[in-house]
Amino acid sequence: GENVEQHPSTLSVQEGDSAVIKCTYSDSASNYFPWYKQELGKRPQLIIDIRSNVGEKKDQRIAVTLNKTAKHFSLHITETQPEDSAVYFCAASKDSGAGSYQLTFGKGTKLSVIP
Amino acid sequence: NAGVTQTPKFRILKIGQSMTLQCTQDMNHNYMYWYRQDPGMGLKLIYYSVGAGITDKGEVPNGYNVSRSTTEDFPLRLELAAPSQTSVYFCASSSGPVMGWAFFGQGTRLTVV
Repeated sequence: GENVEQHPSTLSVQEGDSAVIKCTYSDSASNYFPWYKQELGKRPQLIIDIRSNVGEKKDQRIAVTLNKTAKHFSLHITETQPEDSAVYFCAASKDSGAGSYQLTFGKGTKLSVIP
Repeated sequence: NAGVTQTPKFRILKIGQSMTLQCTQDMNHNYMYWYRQDPGMGLKLIYYSVGAGITDKGEVPNGYNVSRSTTEDFPLRLELAAPSQTSVYFCASSSGPVMGWAFFGQGTRLTVV
């Protein structure tokens, strides 16, 4: 089945700096890659996603890039703010074949933005 | 619009007891999922459903059962609770097959002692 590796497990940045979280996946058939933000004690919330026919997607201060050949995708947060502090999860899924429609999650990155 | 509602929010079970975690959504989503989240880990899929009357196992189904008699409800049943089932459980639903803009419930924190 699919295996998603996420790095780093913890990340501290100064307010205003950029943060980058990287994930790799194993199943070349995966074609959907969402990112979730989970604040302490809260539910995961989808913040951005990308499909395999696109190399990059932006939404204000966050962006996701995908390299299908290398099977890795990354989350970029610019001009970080204290409210960006949370655990971020990457995930991968595919819409056909064995295990389709199932999201496989990385283990998460705890981002701390220092004021 | 309530979205995805889970009950209860917290529960303590004794080893061997059984319970049902309730999940209901009011968005008319066909796809529903149950995940568990262990400390410091990502979410692992327990069971999912692509529509009323259809359920399928995820990555970690052992010790759990589900049913989907209606589009709205997707209860998760724990039989003979074990300490290994101590976790936070999240129900989710989506409009499309590949999660899409999936909505998560607020979670159920379960402790088995």
